[in-house]
Amino acid sequence: SAVISQKPSRDICQRGTSLTIQCQVDSQVTMMFWYRQQPGQSLTLIATANQGSEATYESGFVIDKFPISRPNLTFSTLTVSNMSPEDSSIYLCSVVGVAPVGYEQYFGPGTRLTVT
Amino acid sequence: DQQVKQNSPSLSVQEGRISILNCDYTNSMFDYFLWYKKYPAEGPTFLISISSIKDKNEDGRFTVFLNKSAKHLSLHIVPSQPGDSAVYFCAASVIQGAQKLVFGQGTRLTINP
Repeated sequence: SAVISQKPSRDICQRGTSLTIQCQVDSQVTMMFWYRQQPGQSLTLIATANQGSEATYESGFVIDKFPISRPNLTFSTLTVSNMSPEDSSIYLCSVVGVAPVGYEQYFGPGTRLTVT
Repeated sequence: DQQVKQNSPSLSVQEGRISILNCDYTNSMFDYFLWYKKYPAEGPTFLISISSIKDKNEDGRFTVFLNKSAKHLSLHIVPSQPGDSAVYFCAASVIQGAQKLVFGQGTRLTINP
């Protein structure tokens, strides 16, 4: 499986500010995703990070709030913009395993964000 | 619209016994199912998966069963160990689609010595 790292691991931010989260993978992967886990909730997909093109956002998530970059096949960033306390969550990136592993998704360690 | 449901928020099992975690889904387009284990302050760890062309997949102490007609899958852990205490998520996807995962709400498994 791929080794995935995220920076920062946690942060406490003031409302109205923005935070950029980085996701680095140790091998080239085709598909990368960003998920959010709000306190006590399940994981929800924010968007698919597409290499060389705009991300594909899920219903309820918009580019102005969660801009995503993916400049190459091993790196992506998610920005949480104009933060409010409701954005306090764990943000996770994931990648699809490369064959022969199959279609499993592997997750990074997550970024725990607290907005005050 | 909860497409993947785990109806038991928690489960307590004695060490050495079998743990059975259940998951139901509503979307018949799902053709790939996965189980993840999550410890606090860590990302989910992939455990085991199953394709819709199978009804069982086994990996060591972990076995996943899929009943397509009932749209139900289960994860069996035997024997259960204290290190298995974690939150377990089932997830589903469409292989030929966007491959995005839809997660259940999770079940907190506690293994008692």
